[in-house]
Amino acid sequence: NAGVMQNPRHLVRRRGQEARLRCSPMKGHSHVYWYRQLPEEGLKFMVYLQKENIIDESGMPKERFSAEFPKEGPSILRIQQVVRGDSAAYFCASSYDPNSPLHFGNGTRLTVT
Amino acid sequence: GQQVMQIPQYQHVQEGEDFTTYCNSSTTLSNIQWYKQRPGGHPVFLIQLVKSGEVKKQKRLTFQFGEAKKNSSLHITATQTTDVGTYFCASTTDSWGKLQFGAGTQVVVTP
Repeated sequence: NAGVMQNPRHLVRRRGQEARLRCSPMKGHSHVYWYRQLPEEGLKFMVYLQKENIIDESGMPKERFSAEFPKEGPSILRIQQVVRGDSAAYFCASSYDPNSPLHFGNGTRLTVT
Repeated sequence: GQQVMQIPQYQHVQEGEDFTTYCNSSTTLSNIQWYKQRPGGHPVFLIQLVKSGEVKKQKRLTFQFGEAKKNSSLHITATQTTDVGTYFCASTTDSWGKLQFGAGTQVVVTP
């Protein structure tokens, strides 16, 4: 009974490169959420997706960031032209329905050099 | 903006002591969830409270939802080193359940 799977666990990118973060939700979950966490800080909501649909992207910067959850395959959070300020832990979570508790993955720790 | 405020931000506790962390909102909450994140780990769901005045217990942890559904508390008795971590409260802002997290209470336990 695999939980939420995120990869890679650690990702190092130089300024200006692209970062792709992957998330496979728990089996049976069709709701996916991405959160960002800076060191010693809380979790900031970025985006909420269902299969093939973005439900709420109000927490995601309008430029350079995009997210998708295709019919087949994992959800992808894409950051183009990364800057040092993008360095953070990015957590994906999934749920059975919008009001169920979230199950988090282990996160991807992005470091921009 | 942030919907829920958590206090204290940091909690240093002697092993064996009790402590309480609080979660407050200026608006009525539909529900409150609590999560625990160990250092270097990911948030793990602990409990969800829905009803006004609801109290739930998990071993040494007692969770309470205020009568006005504007605040919640987590009380830990006889703290152990395994209680180390950051405790977050979270609540939904919309009918579809987007969770907004508080800033968390970071708990350090000294033996």
